[in-house]
Amino acid sequence: GENVEQHPSTLSVQEGDSAVIKCTYSDSASNYFPWYKQELGKGPQLIIDIRSNVGEKKDQRIAVTLNKTAKHFSLHITETQPEDSAVYFCAASGNAGGTSYGKLTFGQGTILTVHP
Amino acid sequence: DTGVSQDPRHKITKRGQNVTFRCDPISEHNRLYWYRQTLGQGPEFLTYFQNEAQLEKSRLLSDRFSAERPKGSFSTLEIQRTEQGDSAMYLCASQDLFYAWYFGPGTRLTVT
Repeated sequence: GENVEQHPSTLSVQEGDSAVIKCTYSDSASNYFPWYKQELGKGPQLIIDIRSNVGEKKDQRIAVTLNKTAKHFSLHITETQPEDSAVYFCAASGNAGGTSYGKLTFGQGTILTVHP
Repeated sequence: DTGVSQDPRHKITKRGQNVTFRCDPISEHNRLYWYRQTLGQGPEFLTYFQNEAQLEKSRLLSDRFSAERPKGSFSTLEIQRTEQGDSAMYLCASQDLFYAWYFGPGTRLTVT
């Protein structure tokens, strides 16, 4: 099955700096890569996603890049703000066959702290 | 609020008791998922429904766990004879036609 590795596990930045979180995946058939933000006591919130036919996607201060050859994708947050502090999860999914269809595999998470 | 809702938000139970959780997906989504998340980890897939059909179950879903989705709308997850190892956040998600998953707020289960 799919395996997703996420780094770093913790990331501390000053307000206004950029933050980058990286993930690698193992299943070359994976074709959908979402990123989630999870605040304490809440469920994961979808913040951006990218599909395998696109190399980069941007939404205001958030961008995601995908390198299918190397099987890695990254989340970039620019001009960080204290309210960006949360746990961020990457995930991967594909339509590689009956048993893996529809299953989202998550990375281990990154605790992002933005200091004012 | 038209997002995924879950009930209850918190449940404390004694070991050996049965518990049931409910999930109401976004109304137009026909795919529904259950995930489990333990502290410091990412969510792990448990099971998946398309309409009322349960199409896949993880090996994490022991015989004590059962999930249903009657009429293809809300879903329930029941855990029988709870164990301390069942303590976790149980997350429900529904999926739209563009293949994006939307998660509910979760039910935090504590087994004492």
